Amino acid sequence: QVQLVQSGAEVKKPGASVKVSCKASGYTFTGYYLHWVRQAPGQGLEWMGWINPRNGDTNSAQRFQGRVTMTRDTSISTVYMELSGLTSDDTALYYCARDVYYFDLWGQGSLVTVSS
Amino acid sequence: DIVMTQSPDSLAVSLGERATINCKSSQSVFYSPFNKNSLAWYQQKPGQPPKLLIYWASARQSGVPDRFTGSGSGTDFTLTISSLQAEDVAVYYCHQHYTTPRTFGQGTRVEVK
Repeated sequence: QVQLVQSGAEVKKPGASVKVSCKASGYTFTGYYLHWVRQAPGQGLEWMGWINPRNGDTNSAQRFQGRVTMTRDTSISTVYMELSGLTSDDTALYYCARDVYYFDLWGQGSLVTVSS
Repeated sequence: DIVMTQSPDSLAVSLGERATINCKSSQSVFYSPFNKNSLAWYQQKPGQPPKLLIYWASARQSGVPDRFTGSGSGTDFTLTISSLQAEDVAVYYCHQHYTTPRTFGQGTRVEVK
């Protein structure tokens, strides 16, 4: 079954970091870029960046540069997104999505709550 | 960055009636190597991730009912639901997959009148 399965909800304090995982199955992991998109409560979709699982190359939105790190582990077909320096504005659902030019497959989302 | 602007922000349509959502990009998203427009539409229901409906502006994703139609080119695009069903109540987003950074419209909420 072709799917992306993400890690569970996290609660973090301001200033901390969070690492979210996205495990791919049912297709060739290294064949498709994976993107991260977030959605604050009641808000729209915000693109964060992409990773090429084949070689680990990444590209992130300017507003997240210096704060976001995307990595992958090909042995377990999993990509990771780590966001540091968390503030309450980072409270959101974080999605991974497969790139076939557009996004044809999405993870179920990982809720990150930042609260003191 | 390409700015995507949807209109309206919300609309209420009677069951069986037509719903039309517009999306305008701040620059052309025409991808000349494929001779196609790099515009996708997603449907998002509460508590669910976005679901791909339309890609390359007018190609319907497998399994999507044919009441959903995408049209347009260059900078102006439209998603039409020809006969609204109760299960179509959702937020709809347009998305340009022409260039990085990828950008989305702000969303259009569709409700039943």
